[in-house]
Amino acid sequence: AAGVIQSPRHLIKEKRETATLKCYPIPRHDTVYWYQQGPGQDPQFLISFYEKMQSDKGSIPDRFSAQQFSDYHSELNMSSLELGDSALYFCASSLNRGGTYEQYFGPGTRLTVT
Amino acid sequence: AQTVTQSQPEMSVQEAETVTLSCTYDTSESNYYLFWYKQPPSRQMILVIRQEAYKQQNATENRFSVNFQKAAKSFSLKISDSQLGDTAMYFCAFLRIQGAQKLVFGQGTRLTINP
Repeated sequence: AAGVIQSPRHLIKEKRETATLKCYPIPRHDTVYWYQQGPGQDPQFLISFYEKMQSDKGSIPDRFSAQQFSDYHSELNMSSLELGDSALYFCASSLNRGGTYEQYFGPGTRLTVT
Repeated sequence: AQTVTQSQPEMSVQEAETVTLSCTYDTSESNYYLFWYKQPPSRQMILVIRQEAYKQQNATENRFSVNFQKAAKSFSLKISDSQLGDTAMYFCAFLRIQGAQKLVFGQGTRLTINP
């Protein structure tokens, strides 16, 4: 079965640089989520999209933005990177309309800011 | 706001034993889902089991089962006949159905299965 695809898997950036993370949800899933997991922490919700419209926003810094495109893939854009942005970034997708609300996670993008 | 608490930071059992991981949550919602996710050393987040709050019957998936006590707001995970591959961090997660459907995670329990 198709899974959530994330790219790149690893990313190294310097402070103040910009990063773009990509997510391709499971086909026919209508909702995409982004989570951030710091070292030794549980995943924290950043932002979500339902049918390409932003549906909810968590503790996402103003330096971060995201969007979902017509082909349903999503991108998380991160600017003015800080050391504290080093984390594992997950994308997840689910089928919520008439579905089970189960969120399936991609393998994550490990971002290291030096 | 919803909160999820996992009071056991670490647990360790022998292979083939049964182990129970605890989770409590706090919410004023009446309609919600609860999940257990497994995160092995690869860091992949893997869905283990789902429980709908409106269902009284406890969910079961092969060796994994839950004990859902809605009034007590308790949602424990039982792993039977534990295997070495069950070694992982386990996260309990809450999801409200109305409005925002983000997952709220507990702090996690690190489970080690010893040979």
